[in-house]
Amino acid sequence: EAQVTQNPRYLITVTGKKLTVTCSQNMNHEYMSWYRQDPGLGLRQIYYSMNVEVTDKGDVPEGYKVSRKEKRNFPLILESPSPNQTSLYFCASSFEGLSYNEQFFGPGTRLTVL
Amino acid sequence: AQKITQTQPGMFVQEKEAVTLDCTYDTSDQSYGLFWYKQPSSGEMIFLIYQGSYDEQNATEGRYSLNFQKARKSANLVISASQLGDSAMYFCAMRESFTNAGKSTFGDGTTLTVKP
Repeated sequence: EAQVTQNPRYLITVTGKKLTVTCSQNMNHEYMSWYRQDPGLGLRQIYYSMNVEVTDKGDVPEGYKVSRKEKRNFPLILESPSPNQTSLYFCASSFEGLSYNEQFFGPGTRLTVL
Repeated sequence: AQKITQTQPGMFVQEKEAVTLDCTYDTSDQSYGLFWYKQPSSGEMIFLIYQGSYDEQNATEGRYSLNFQKARKSANLVISASQLGDSAMYFCAMRESFTNAGKSTFGDGTTLTVKP
């Protein structure tokens, strides 16, 4: 089954404790992206990757890191999480990063930072 | 910079009636795509429909159609014959091919409630 998977789905952590949210897709997509969703603010793009070893900042990259060492994986790293990073996180992928490709989304990761 | 505006935080519609969800956008790119996604209460994001900036005809997908008015920079979603299962949040989104290739912008969303 073609899908984007994220782990964990739910996470409660404390301020400053490094964490990684994994994202994997099995559709051989070149493009992957991370978003956060907060009430009333829609989805805001954190980082994206056009291909392996090619990443760039989205609109809200502060406090996050990413890497793209393999085509299928795009982990999101929070080196020192803070309460304002409490949010619902989505990973998405598509064929290329161009204007005509719809994105396929993972199920979301709900993160709470205490 | 690309920008998406959805001015309707919440909408109500009677079952079996049609409803239009508004979306306006701003971009300086000539090549861009507009997308609508549905997010039910379960949380997943579901792709509904796509309209390319060079497409001359409005996109349609089953009960979904996109009213694309390029000069007005609007891309409204029309849902015909609403069903109870259409109750969800709906997001308009945009991607560009050149100026901001790779970036994707979403609106704040519209919560649609279908009344029986």
